[in-house]
Amino acid sequence: DIQMTQSPSSISVSLGDRFTITCRASQDIGNYLSWYQQKPEKSPKLMIYRATNLEDGVPSRFSGSRSGSDYSLTINSLESEDTGIYFCLQHKQYPRTFGGGTKLELK
Amino acid sequence: QVQLQQSGAELVKPGSSVKISCKASGYTFTSYDMHWIKQQPGNGLEWIGWIYPGNGNTKYNQKFNGKATLTADKSSSTAYMQLSSLTSEDSAVYFCARFNYGGLAYWGQGTLVTVSS
Repeated sequence: DIQMTQSPSSISVSLGDRFTITCRASQDIGNYLSWYQQKPEKSPKLMIYRATNLEDGVPSRFSGSRSGSDYSLTINSLESEDTGIYFCLQHKQYPRTFGGGTKLELK
Repeated sequence: QVQLQQSGAELVKPGSSVKISCKASGYTFTSYDMHWIKQQPGNGLEWIGWIYPGNGNTKYNQKFNGKATLTADKSSSTAYMQLSSLTSEDSAVYFCARFNYGGLAYWGQGTLVTVSS
């Protein structure tokens, strides 16, 4: 199985800060990587697909990038509504695998 | 608009089975895979598998072989997942979800399954 190693596992960030989450893939997944935000008691919400594409309706302060096997989700100028848990998902190979999650809190 | 409406929470006994549903609307049900995902309290997400309602083809995470069975009813646009031989390890929230382009863009609200005697 492809392991998606996500870091950090949790972080406290101040409003207006820039923040980056990273997922490292244990094998080549091309750009078959998406990012999700999950609020408590809610379903995950797609934020970025195919590594770098912003899902419709997602604020432009969110962006995705790739450097080799490292995939990053960056939030520019954090807002209070951005708190939650973020996951990555690879869908290059079976079984599909998720990163372990990053809990983003306000400082 | 695409909607996935899941069945309600279940409290089931160890060793039993449970079948949860996911009713789709707003799109052609038979044209898209339906994925199922498990989320245990405080834990991350695990992909269980998908079913293609158009022809009933399925793909499972080997970890869930023998545990989960995916079916679909085209007449009611409803996907089902049956979980068998339940143990406390199966207590979790289960989601159905559908891909759009390169991500799981549509999710059900989740179904909580609690396994307890």
